[in-house]
Amino acid sequence: SQQGEEDPQALSIQEGENATMNCSYKTSINNLQWYRQNSGRGLVHLILIRSNEREKHSGRLRVTLDTSKKSSSLLITASRAADTASYFCATDATDSWGKFQFGAGTQVVVTP
Amino acid sequence: DTGVSQDPRHKITKRGQNVTFRCDPISEHNRLYWYRQTLGQGPEFLTYFQNEAQLEKSRLLSDRFSAERPKGSFSTLEIQRTEQGDSAMYLCASSVTTGTGTPGGGYTFGSGTRLTVV
Repeated sequence: SQQGEEDPQALSIQEGENATMNCSYKTSINNLQWYRQNSGRGLVHLILIRSNEREKHSGRLRVTLDTSKKSSSLLITASRAADTASYFCATDATDSWGKFQFGAGTQVVVTP
Repeated sequence: DTGVSQDPRHKITKRGQNVTFRCDPISEHNRLYWYRQTLGQGPEFLTYFQNEAQLEKSRLLSDRFSAERPKGSFSTLEIQRTEQGDSAMYLCASSVTTGTGTPGGGYTFGSGTRLTVV
């Protein structure tokens, strides 16, 4: 079963615009991660945010976590064509001992 | 150590045959995970190891699936009597995690093995 659900399922934007995607989950978590996957490739880790953190930044990426709403958001600022990929959130439930469950992903297309 | 390696990259097999995949994690990573991914979906958890111990096996994993991690280094995933429904990308990942499961960072994924059962 998949713990997280990303929204929207697909997103199409132009270069330079910001892209925001959301992740909702069902059970209490220890940590939440975001990954990127280019077509047919493996997943690349972007950011890990712990349950006691509310916001993290990494370059053009900004992740927020609201544990009261069981949701997280990933913002990509000033998007580039190279940001075209699927983005997944992954959570580890408090009783899971570091095992992460993935959502179905948001497919982002950035057009030049 | 350049990352997580998976072999083979692609495997085409006839229904009913057995297949085995190999994963070589990052050497200092104590956790190793197997996931399965079908088109348009996120990775589904199959099983994971801490060192050589298999900590959990998903209910998705039928008795036809077995995984090992001898000596806590590389891992193999075997599927016996393959079925067409087994066609998927099989992903391996590794990470550094404390005994209580606190991750030191994210997973490092391999490029996956794409299995096609005909």
